Amino acid sequence: AQTVTQSQPEMSVQEAETVTLSCTYDTSESNYYLFWYKQPPSRQMILVIRQEAYKQQNATENRFSVNFQKAAKSFSLKISDSQLGDTAMYFCAFMKASGNTPLVFGKGTRLSVIA
Amino acid sequence: DAGVIQSPRHEVTEMGQEVTLRCKPISGHNSLFWYRQTMMRGLELLIYFNNNVPIDDSGMPEDRFSAKMPNASFSTLKIQPSEPRDSAVYFCASSLGWVNSPLHFGNGTRLTVT
Repeated sequence: AQTVTQSQPEMSVQEAETVTLSCTYDTSESNYYLFWYKQPPSRQMILVIRQEAYKQQNATENRFSVNFQKAAKSFSLKISDSQLGDTAMYFCAFMKASGNTPLVFGKGTRLSVIA
Repeated sequence: DAGVIQSPRHEVTEMGQEVTLRCKPISGHNSLFWYRQTMMRGLELLIYFNNNVPIDDSGMPEDRFSAKMPNASFSTLKIQPSEPRDSAVYFCASSLGWVNSPLHFGNGTRLTVT
């Protein structure tokens, strides 16, 4: 079975600074997908970024980027130029690349952006 | 598209009562997932369906929990009888079921059992 571990329950960052959220996972699969979801106080789950395991290039979406280390089974999220609206729970998630399979989530990191 | 629609948004009930949570997936999506979110356990998969057929219900905590998907546009999660430890946010999500298709979440139902 796959497991996803987020070792930082809470983090804080000053507005405009950069912060990195950690995520490690365990799997015997060779091909899979990794995701970061954001959950603001509104409770909505928002997809932030996605990485295919067969791609060596790290995914980037505007101020959000990942550091994907396949051998180390590590998938960290970097948020640059943090904004107050980035305050949320962030969940790392894993999905097997066989289609029609569910996401396995980590327990989340609560990020607070401080003005 | 309206997205995944869940109802009710909030539900408060007394222990022992039956609770039914509802979900309307995005039209055309053929995979549907029910998750439960608590502070202690995070997001746990309860059950998921492909083409209205339950594929894996190993996450359903007890026989008190049941889920149905009578057609492609509707699913229910029922708890009977409910207990205080069932208090959580319950999310429904849907996807196209392809390898690359992302999961779309509803806004969740916050259930409080007193």
